[in-house]
Amino acid sequence: KQEVTQIPAALSVPEGENLVLNCSFTDSAIYNLQWFRQDPGKGLTSLLLIQSSQREQTSGRLNASLDKSSGRSTLYIAASQPGDSATYLCAVSSNDYKLSFGAGTTVTVRA
Amino acid sequence: NAGVMQNPRHLVRRRGQEARLRCSPMKGHSHVYWYRQLPEEGLKFMVYLQKENIIDESGMPKERFSAEFPKEGPSILRIQQVVRGDSAAYFCASSTDSWEAFFGQGTRLTVV
Repeated sequence: KQEVTQIPAALSVPEGENLVLNCSFTDSAIYNLQWFRQDPGKGLTSLLLIQSSQREQTSGRLNASLDKSSGRSTLYIAASQPGDSATYLCAVSSNDYKLSFGAGTTVTVRA
Repeated sequence: NAGVMQNPRHLVRRRGQEARLRCSPMKGHSHVYWYRQLPEEGLKFMVYLQKENIIDESGMPKERFSAEFPKEGPSILRIQQVVRGDSAAYFCASSTDSWEAFFGQGTRLTVV
């Protein structure tokens, strides 16, 4: 059974600082990995999707890396802004459709 | 292209009533998934459907819960005889054959 862990559970940084969010998973036989953003009381917004054959994906200030062999992914957010405050979820699919989610990292960016 | 549409956004039911949650996938998406987020917990997979077929319901409680995705109309998650422990946010997602999941805003069910 795939277990996904996200560390830290919460993070508070001053505006402008870079954010590093960690995700680990127990079964390295994955199909893909997705990072999502969830705002309070809202749905999930897909940020980045990394296929199992890829090592990283980039979108604007966001960069996600994937090390399948060690069961780790890291989401980097450069030059954080107060609007980046949200919960960030890591999700892994061990087949092609079923996602296993971590509990999330709640980020607060202080102005 | 509208995103995944779920309704209602909020639903209050008394214990013993039925809850019906609706999900319209994104245009062109033939795969629908339901996930549940209990308070202070991560999202858990419930069921995966294609048109008129349940592909995987391994995450769905065996009793009181059912899901369908008819040929016409939205996917429906139905919870009969709701109990307090059913209070949660229920999220629907859809995808094409590329499997990248796009999520709706969720339905927050409160059982009183």
